[in-house]
Order: sequence, then structure tokens, then C-alpha cells
Amino acid sequence: NAGVMQNPRHLVRRRGQEARLRCSPMKGHSHVYWYRQLPEEGLKFMVYLQKENIIDESGMPKERFSAEFPKEGPSILRIQQVVRGDSAAYFCASSIRLTGEVGGYTFGSGTRLTVV
Amino acid sequence: EDQVTQSPEALRLQEGESSSLNCSYTVSGLRGLFWYRQDPGKGPEFLFTLYSAGEEKEKERLKATLTKKESFLHITAPKPEDSATYLCAVPVSSNTGKLIFGQGTTLQVKP
Repeated sequence: NAGVMQNPRHLVRRRGQEARLRCSPMKGHSHVYWYRQLPEEGLKFMVYLQKENIIDESGMPKERFSAEFPKEGPSILRIQQVVRGDSAAYFCASSIRLTGEVGGYTFGSGTRLTVV
Repeated sequence: EDQVTQSPEALRLQEGESSSLNCSYTVSGLRGLFWYRQDPGKGPEFLFTLYSAGEEKEKERLKATLTKKESFLHITAPKPEDSATYLCAVPVSSNTGKLIFGQGTTLQVKP
């Protein structure tokens, strides 16, 4: 049973380009969460999605960032017109139901975005 | 404001030297507290969930305990392979699964 799969593992983008981060949740998991870990900072919640629905995007920056979890295929975190401050590790996690019901999430290994 | 604070930031132990990590939290209505382990370059790995004061969970050399204001992760006779960053987190909503993480404690166990 494969875990949460994230790709690419490493992504380098020039300022102004777009970054697309992909996340395939564990089999049977319909809840997906994205977190960002900036250098020297803790994990910060970005967005919570279920299939075809954004449930909570309170942690998403107002501009340039978007997320989706289509009926078919992986969840995508898109960052448009990247800036140096977007350089971070982006982690995806999934769960069968809401965290409080079944315990902790399962995290992927992350995508490390570097903006040059 | 919901908040999670971990201490110490870093901890160096000799192999076999037991110690404890602290996680203090302030949330309106505890819905559980989670401990994770994170190795360099990897995602957090789930360790424990605690739901009520007085609850304890154990796994190998680790034991997590919970009070009304804080949680402790006790490490008994640690080994070098226990070296990692340990994170605690609490949910802030029962509807969104949003977690607030502490900054983590980076543990280094020397042989």
C-alpha cells in the first residue's frame, strides 16, 4: 500500500514562473491537506480539500496560490508568479476521515521548492 | 489565540540518557494532541494521538502523556536512531482537520 506520493521531490523555478506541486493521497483516503514549512519555521496549514471541494483555505495566501483535488487524479497546489519567499518545503497529507476521528494524518515526503 | 509551544528547541543526549520533551498548548476545547517524528528531508511520521488528560501511549522507547495544559514525550534509554525532530500538533477545528504545529524539538543522540 503506497503512502502519500508527492512529486516532484525537488523543484527549481525562476522568479515569475509557475510551480505545480502534485499529491496522490493514500488509497481510500478522500481528505487532503497541504502544509508549508518555511526555513527555520514550523509547519503551517494552507488548505484542506475533499474530492472536488475546497473545505478550508484559511491558510492560503490571498494571491498567486490555488489548490484543487479533482474527481480523477492527484491534488494540485499551484503557485503562480513565484517569488523568492515561496521557497519552502510543501507537504501534503491525507486521511480517511477528519483528523479528530481517526488520529493523525499520513504525510508525504514533500516537495522542496527553490525559487532562484 | 490557539497556540502550541515546544521546549527545548534542541536537545543533545548521550545514548542511554533518558529525558523528556515538552509541548504546551492553548486551544479552545482540546480535540486531541498528536506527536510526529520528522527526519531530515522527509515528511512527519505519525507517532501518537492523545485525547484526554491522564492518557498515556507507548511505542518502543517513547511514551507520551497528556495533562490539561501540556504533553510530554518521554524518551527512555535513547539510541542514535532516535535522533530526529519531534513535533506536536493540535486540531483547532472539528470541521476542517486543521492542525497547529509547534516549532519542534530537534533531538540528537550521540553514541
